[in-house]
Amino acid sequence: SAVISQKPSRDICQRGTSLTIQCQVDSQVTMMFWYRQQPGQSLTLIATANQGSEATYESGFVIDKFPISRPNLTFSTLTVSNMSPEDSSIYLCSVGGSRDPGPGDEQYFGPGTRLTVT
Amino acid sequence: RKEVEQDPGPFNVPEGATVAFNCTYSNSASQSFFWYRQDCRKEPKLLMSVYSSGNEDGRFTAQLNRASQYISLLIRDSKLSDSATYLCVVNLMGDYKLSFGAGTTVTVRA
Repeated sequence: SAVISQKPSRDICQRGTSLTIQCQVDSQVTMMFWYRQQPGQSLTLIATANQGSEATYESGFVIDKFPISRPNLTFSTLTVSNMSPEDSSIYLCSVGGSRDPGPGDEQYFGPGTRLTVT
Repeated sequence: RKEVEQDPGPFNVPEGATVAFNCTYSNSASQSFFWYRQDCRKEPKLLMSVYSSGNEDGRFTAQLNRASQYISLLIRDSKLSDSATYLCVVNLMGDYKLSFGAGTTVTVRA
């Protein structure tokens, strides 16, 4: 499986500010995914990021709040905008099991970014 | 009704014991099923995929029951290192989205 890194690993931010999280993969992949894991809860998909097209957002998540960039096949960013304490969470990126995964394939996760908003 | 439901546990078992738990899913059209393991403050890691015929990987056995819409995970000869939260993951619509259960916590004691 691909090696995935994320920056920053953790941050403490003030409400009203924005944070951009980076996800780097050591191989080219067509699709990258961004998830959120709120305290004590499981993972929820925020959006799917394809290179060269707009990200596809899940219900409850909007581009203005979580803008995503996907400039190439090994990199993506997720920005958490105008943060509030409710955004305190772990944010994880993931990729499929191959460069061009099929629907229903397994996914592999980065180490996550632990965000605390005060 | 949640898309994926799990017994949160915790399951506290002694070393060497067998522990098993289930996960139910709501959408009968679900196509892919996985068990992930998540250690405290770490990312989820794929433990195993779950196939229609059931599959085994060492001490771990996964079963799928489509008629009753549940999957199971059985751990034999539990080790201290098996202590973790086990996440049931289902691909609901045949697309790229994975839906996660809230996890079952297993604690293996010496």
